[in-house]
Amino acid sequence: GAVVSQHPSRVICKSGTSVKIECRSLDFQATTMFWYRQFPKQSLMLMATSNEGSKATYEQGVEKDKFLINHASLTLSTLTVTSAHPEDSSFYICSARDPGRGNSPLHFGNGTRLTVT
Amino acid sequence: LAKTTQPISMDSYEGQEVNITCSHNNIATNDYITWYQQFPSQGPRFIIQGYKTKVTNEVASLFIPADRKSSTLSLPRVSLSDTAVYYCLVGLNQAGTALIFGKGTTLSVSS
Repeated sequence: GAVVSQHPSRVICKSGTSVKIECRSLDFQATTMFWYRQFPKQSLMLMATSNEGSKATYEQGVEKDKFLINHASLTLSTLTVTSAHPEDSSFYICSARDPGRGNSPLHFGNGTRLTVT
Repeated sequence: LAKTTQPISMDSYEGQEVNITCSHNNIATNDYITWYQQFPSQGPRFIIQGYKTKVTNEVASLFIPADRKSSTLSLPRVSLSDTAVYYCLVGLNQAGTALIFGKGTTLSVSS
């Protein structure tokens, strides 16, 4: 089945630094990928839609200059948290569908635990 | 996007059948219903998907009534490892369409 891979699985960084999270579709090409964020004991919240070859679209309240998204190829989207602060500590999860399979459900990566100290 | 409502939590014992019902009163004609399972510090894992009537796979069954305003995930003979959060999502299965998560149901299975 379709596999979405994220890297790293966890990262700790100091306040003010930037962190890049990678999301790859391993056995299919994804023109669109989605980034979610999940705080402890809460549900997943959609942050942005990553579009290959064009700008990402961000959900209301998500700062595009803080959460930079690059979707430079059909199998890779990256999320960079710039000038990270402790309140950015969260669980970040990407997802994508396989457009080559009819009625493909969303497949999720295993998430990246970001801790900002 | 159709909003979903599920029970916040459910408790069960090993070996029992568990049914989790999700309400989605404003589901659109072309929307699919998809259920995911999530363990702590992991991404959601696809369980089952359906459009109408009944769907069954090796881990679960999904029952959808004719009006499609609700759906029921049935987990046969649960084990301790089925303790997780279960999400019901409703939406289009198009490459460019995201899904919006509700609060999910926390299932606790005891021995």
